[in-house]
Amino acid sequence: DAGVIQSPRHEVTEMGQEVTLRCKPISGHNSLFWYRQTMMRGLELLIYFNNNVPIDDSGMPEDRFSAKMPNASFSTLKIQPSEPRDSAVYFCASSWTMNTEAFFGQGTRLTVV
Amino acid sequence: SQELEQSPQSLIVQEGKNLTINCTSSKTLYGLYWYKQKYGEGLIFLMMLQKGGEEKSHEKITAKLDEKKQQSSLHITASQPSHAGIYLCGADRVDSGYALNFGKGTSLLVTP
Repeated sequence: DAGVIQSPRHEVTEMGQEVTLRCKPISGHNSLFWYRQTMMRGLELLIYFNNNVPIDDSGMPEDRFSAKMPNASFSTLKIQPSEPRDSAVYFCASSWTMNTEAFFGQGTRLTVV
Repeated sequence: SQELEQSPQSLIVQEGKNLTINCTSSKTLYGLYWYKQKYGEGLIFLMMLQKGGEEKSHEKITAKLDEKKQQSSLHITASQPSHAGIYLCGADRVDSGYALNFGKGTSLLVTP
């Protein structure tokens, strides 16, 4: 299995632009998580899905952030409009079910200038 | 919400030395996960502990869970340069489902 696949690996965009991050979870996994990592705040949970349904989005910082999971093999995290404070590494992770270990992708390093 | 405090924040040890990293939770631990992260990469799962007193080992890394103290420790024996990286503990967020909260990590450097 190729593991959790995220794209792009790096994204540099100008403030105000729309950014879309993509994730393909491990086949057969039912839970998908989006995290954001910064030096100041560490690894923060943004949102997670179970069986394609959003369970908890309380970590999404603002209405500028939205996430979708149209099917079991694909999820997106969108930021519109982007701001410099959104600069971080965004990780997607998936797990077989809740309460089991999650497998992480390589992350997308987002820089908003 | 649950907070996980890791100590120390960073550690430099000489190759061959033993070391311990601690993770303390502000709330009851129902499941504790240890991950390792290398710079610029994703997190690699190491071990999961679920029961008080549980201890697991993988190669030279041993993790223990002290349910009463709401604490877990990660011990590396005879450290090697390959052990360098950031170690993060994560815990089940039982109050809102089972996604993980994470500590801020412990950065480990192993010198020759």
